[in-house]
Amino acid sequence: NAGVTQTPKFRILKIGQSMTLQCTQDMNHNYMYWYRQDPGMGLKLIYYSVGAGITDKGEVPNGYNVSRSTTEDFPLRLELAAPSQTSVYFCASRNPGQGNYGYTFGSGTRLTVV
Amino acid sequence: EDQVTQSPEALRLQEGESSSLNCSYTVSGLRGLFWYRQDPGKGPEFLFTLYSAGEEKEKERLKATLTKKESFLHITAPKPEDSATYLCAVQATAAGNKLTFGGGTRVLVKP
Repeated sequence: NAGVTQTPKFRILKIGQSMTLQCTQDMNHNYMYWYRQDPGMGLKLIYYSVGAGITDKGEVPNGYNVSRSTTEDFPLRLELAAPSQTSVYFCASRNPGQGNYGYTFGSGTRLTVV
Repeated sequence: EDQVTQSPEALRLQEGESSSLNCSYTVSGLRGLFWYRQDPGKGPEFLFTLYSAGEEKEKERLKATLTKKESFLHITAPKPEDSATYLCAVQATAAGNKLTFGGGTRVLVKP
């Protein structure tokens, strides 16, 4: 049982480049989330999805896009990368049927935009 | 707007020296308060969920408590392996399925 898998683990982008951060979960969770974590700032929600075909914006969606074509996959797209997008990105999932509402997080993607 | 503030930002402890971490929150209606542990280079790992004032949860050397305005994470007789960043998050009843996180407390336990 792999849980939540994120790729790549590290990436350096040049300003203006684009990339997709991949996230896959094998727990059949309906809800999936993308967070970014900046030093000392906690996690900020970028986008989330409550099921295949349904996505919604979080606190900091500008500069990002998502899609959810399957239950398992929730990729995050960065268009025209900017230095402000340098951060660690975490994908998470949960099953709303779980009594404790605990999220399962991936191990993160560390992105640097130069 | 939901807000979560954690203090202190960093905590250095000697092995065996008990201490407490604070999580203060303001939320329109609390659906749940969560504690996570995060090791360097890894994603947060779920520890506890608390739902109502007066509730307590324990796991090994960790004990979480909840009041109407704050939560405490007590670390009793810590060991070096308890070194990590501890994150607090709240889920508001009006926020649907979203969590609001605090900035975390970095704990270093020295042998």
